[in-house]
Amino acid sequence: GENVEQHPSTLSVQEGDSAVIKCTYSDSASNYFPWYKQELGKRPQLIIDIRSNVGEKKDQRIAVTLNKTAKHFSLHITETQPEDSAVYFCAASKLGDYKLSFGAGTTVTVRA
Amino acid sequence: ETGVTQSPTHLIKTRGQQVTLRCSSQSGHNTVSWYQQALGQGPQFIFQYYREEENGRGNFPPRFSGLQFPNYSSELNVNALELDDSALYLCASRVGPMNTEAFFGQGTRLTVV
Repeated sequence: GENVEQHPSTLSVQEGDSAVIKCTYSDSASNYFPWYKQELGKRPQLIIDIRSNVGEKKDQRIAVTLNKTAKHFSLHITETQPEDSAVYFCAASKLGDYKLSFGAGTTVTVRA
Repeated sequence: ETGVTQSPTHLIKTRGQQVTLRCSSQSGHNTVSWYQQALGQGPQFIFQYYREEENGRGNFPPRFSGLQFPNYSSELNVNALELDDSALYLCASRVGPMNTEAFFGQGTRLTVV
C-alpha cells in the first residue's frame, strides 16, 4: 500500500518567515495530493491540493509543489502569521482508490 | 449547505464493550469514509461507503464494521473494544467516489479504559 512520510515533525518559525514541509510517497500511481490543517481540537481542513498533471499550485500565501519523478511534494507557507500555528498533514491517493494515506503530521508554531 | 457532523463528540467505554459512532454527511455527498487518528499521528483509513455499500477497507480487523443509510449518513461500530482503540474517529464525505476532495467532521474522541 501507499506509504507517506512527512518531515519535519515539528517546525518553529518567526512570524513573517517562511515554513516548508516535505512529504514523500511510495506508490507511483498516486495522483492526488491534498494538504490538511488541523487546529487543536478541530477537524482537519483542506487548505490546498495538487494533482499529478500539475507541478505547482499557489493560493495566496500557500503553495504546493510536486515532483512526480522523485515522488515528493512540499507545502510552502510564506509570511507566516500566528494563526498559521497548527498541525499540517500531507496525504496521497490514486484514481480508483479513494482512501487518503496521510503523513504523520507537522506541528507548526509561529513565534510572534 | 450543512457540513459533516459527528456524534457524540466524546465517549468513554470500558474494554470489551461495543460502541457506535455516527456521521451525517455534507449535503449532496453520497460517499463517506471513516478514519482513526491516534494521538500524535495522521488519520488512518478504516473503510469507505458509497451508496450503502462498503467499497474500500483499510488494515483494520472485522470488529470494525459500518453502515451507510439511504440518506447517506453512516455509522461506525467497534466490537470488543481494546485499549488501543482509544483515538479520534473522523468521518469524511465526498460528492461521489470519483471525486477526491474529502470534507471532514469534527470527530468523536473515544477513550477506552
